Amino acid sequence: GAGVSQSPSNKVTEKGKDVELRCDPISGHTALYWYRQSLGQGLEFLIYFQGNSAPDKSGLPSDRFSAERTGGSVSTLTIQRTQQEDSAVYLCASSLGQFFGPGTRLTVL
Amino acid sequence: GDSVTQMEGPVTLSEEAFLTINCTYTATGYPSLFWYVQYPGEGLQLLLKATKADDKGSNKGFEATYRKETTSFHLEKGSVQVSDSAVYFCALRSAGGTSYGKLTFGQGTILTVHP
Repeated sequence: GAGVSQSPSNKVTEKGKDVELRCDPISGHTALYWYRQSLGQGLEFLIYFQGNSAPDKSGLPSDRFSAERTGGSVSTLTIQRTQQEDSAVYLCASSLGQFFGPGTRLTVL
Repeated sequence: GDSVTQMEGPVTLSEEAFLTINCTYTATGYPSLFWYVQYPGEGLQLLLKATKADDKGSNKGFEATYRKETTSFHLEKGSVQVSDSAVYFCALRSAGGTSYGKLTFGQGTILTVHP
């Protein structure tokens, strides 16, 4: 596609539920990054994919967070047993981080 | 590890005023430096970048020069407009290693420009 797309744009969930966030990078971009933007923490790196492998997962805040990428394209970030502190905007970027998607705003009630 | 420190806001200016938002960094090697902008209700957009020392990035009247000796990348604009009201993020991209391309961001500076 023309740009990085993410879905859903907004997600409201109850504490303890699992959520999946999707990122569709620009076609052909092999590098993909997930970031989180929250009020208290600013913009934080979560995970980096090169193709389907993730050489750097150092930013994932806990083992409740996981991500995968298939076919070198779409990526899914999964948060299990969501907590209120997971509320944030989750951003995806491709091509050395120079193209960002619009983000998914996650609210955990 | 890598870090970026930018001027705390919020910054409030009148239209046509001169803008400076300070940004300094700590990094190993030779990172690339970026300014991103986030307009109200919109996503993060790359504003400008510089990839080596003494490079000047520029876009939409904004400029920033990569100063290795002072590890700085200050954002400037000679005459701001109301439409420049946004949050500005300074960032660096580490060079090499397993996190090639990973961005480290500053905390962001809120800019409000009044007519």
